[in-house]
Amino acid sequence: GAVVSQHPSWVICKSGTSVKIECRSLDFQATTMFWYRQFPKQSLMLMATSNEGSKATYEQGVEKDKFLINHASLTLSTLTVTSAHPEDSSFYICSARSPATGSKPQHFGDGTRLSIL
Amino acid sequence: GQQLNQSPQSMFIQEGEDVSMNCTSSSIFNTWLWYKQDPGEGPVLLIALYKAGELTSNGRLTAQFGITRKDSFLNISASIPSDVGIYFCAGASGTYKYIFGTGTRLKVLA
Repeated sequence: GAVVSQHPSWVICKSGTSVKIECRSLDFQATTMFWYRQFPKQSLMLMATSNEGSKATYEQGVEKDKFLINHASLTLSTLTVTSAHPEDSSFYICSARSPATGSKPQHFGDGTRLSIL
Repeated sequence: GQQLNQSPQSMFIQEGEDVSMNCTSSSIFNTWLWYKQDPGEGPVLLIALYKAGELTSNGRLTAQFGITRKDSFLNISASIPSDVGIYFCAGASGTYKYIFGTGTRLKVLA
């Protein structure tokens, strides 16, 4: 079946560095991808929606200059956390959707655990 | 951001028991999804519902799309230890931008 892959699965870096997370749809073309953030013991909070070939739409309260999203192809979206700080430490999960996936409108990646020291 | 209310927040049950959980919203949705998330992993889709009143099963899992379109229910029959995890509902109203519930943490005692 359809699979969404995220990379890396875990990253630790120093405060002030930028971190890029990749989200790939492996066997389908994803016209739309979504980026979520999940803090420990909390639910998934939608950060932004990215559509291939156009600018991402950010949810209220999410800084677009801090969380850069690029959806340059139908199989790849990237989220870059710029100048990361400890409060950005979280579990970041992407999901992808293609109209062809029928009754499964969103497939999720396995997430990226980001730890900022 | 907006979240859906899930109930109960957590539950401990004995293996073999049935489980019921629900999700409520102040807004009308036209799609409801139920996901299960294991620690350190992404959510896995269990059941998708597209019509008010719809009742759909997936093995021991059964979910219903509430008639008011403001709620949904998930039942797990004859629970087993591997059912442990966090169950999330998600709703959408016309777009594929889903709002997630607060989650129900399930623990099964063998």
